[in-house]
Amino acid sequence: AQKITQTQPGMFVQEKEAVTLDCTYDTSDPSYGLFWYKQPSSGEMIFLIYQGSYDQQNATEGRYSLNFQKARKSANLVISASQLGDSAMYFCAMREARATMNYGGSQGNLIFGKGTKLSVKP
Amino acid sequence: DGGITQSPKYLFRKEGQNVTLSCEQNLNHDAMYWYRQDPGQGLRLIYYSQIVNDFQKGDIAEGYSVSREKKESFPLTVTSAQKNPTAFYLCASSIGAGNTEAFFGQGTRLTVV
Repeated sequence: AQKITQTQPGMFVQEKEAVTLDCTYDTSDPSYGLFWYKQPSSGEMIFLIYQGSYDQQNATEGRYSLNFQKARKSANLVISASQLGDSAMYFCAMREARATMNYGGSQGNLIFGKGTKLSVKP
Repeated sequence: DGGITQSPKYLFRKEGQNVTLSCEQNLNHDAMYWYRQDPGQGLRLIYYSQIVNDFQKGDIAEGYSVSREKKESFPLTVTSAQKNPTAFYLCASSIGAGNTEAFFGQGTRLTVV
C-alpha cells in the first residue's frame, strides 16, 4: 500500500490565485513528520514546509501553508498568490519517527509521493 | 556556503561499465541518502547512512553500492548488475534521522548508451 498519495498528476492555476495540492498519507506510527518539497525543472529538491504529527497548529512559511487534517490523514499544501516561478513539481513526503529506531529498508527515511506538476498561467 | 554537491551533473555510461556518482556535504550532517527518480515518479531510496562507516540498504539497493568513509562523503557506485540504470540520482543529507528536513544536491542524470 502506498504510504503517500498525491492524486493530482497535474494542476493549473492562474497567476496571483491560490492553489491547493493534495496529499494523503498512511501510517500507524503516532509520531511522524510531513514535508513538502518543490522540484523545478533544474532538478534540485527545495524544502518548503514541515508539519509534525503533534503540532497543534497548521504550519505556515511565507506563501506556503499546510492544511493538516490528522483524522483524515491529509496534509495539503496551499500556495497563496501564485507566481510564475511556482511552476514546478511538488512532492509530499513523510518520515515515521518509530521507524527511525530500526535499521533496514526505508525505515526512518523520507517516503515520497509521486508528485504533482503545477503550472502557473500568466 | 554550506550545501551538498553532486558531480557530475550529467553522466554517460556504456552498458556493462561501473560508474561512481559523487556526493559531498559540508553541513556537518550525520545522515546521508541516495535516491533514484524516474520520469513521472517520486523518489525511491537506494541506500542511506546514519553515521560514518555504516550504511543500510533502501528499497531498491540491488545493483548499487556505497561507502561512507568520511562524514562529508557518500559516493554511489552504479554497477553493471543494475539492469536499468538510466535515471536521475539525488543525494541528500540531514542532521539525523528524526523529524528534520533533508537537504538535497542538484542531482546527477545518468544515461546508459
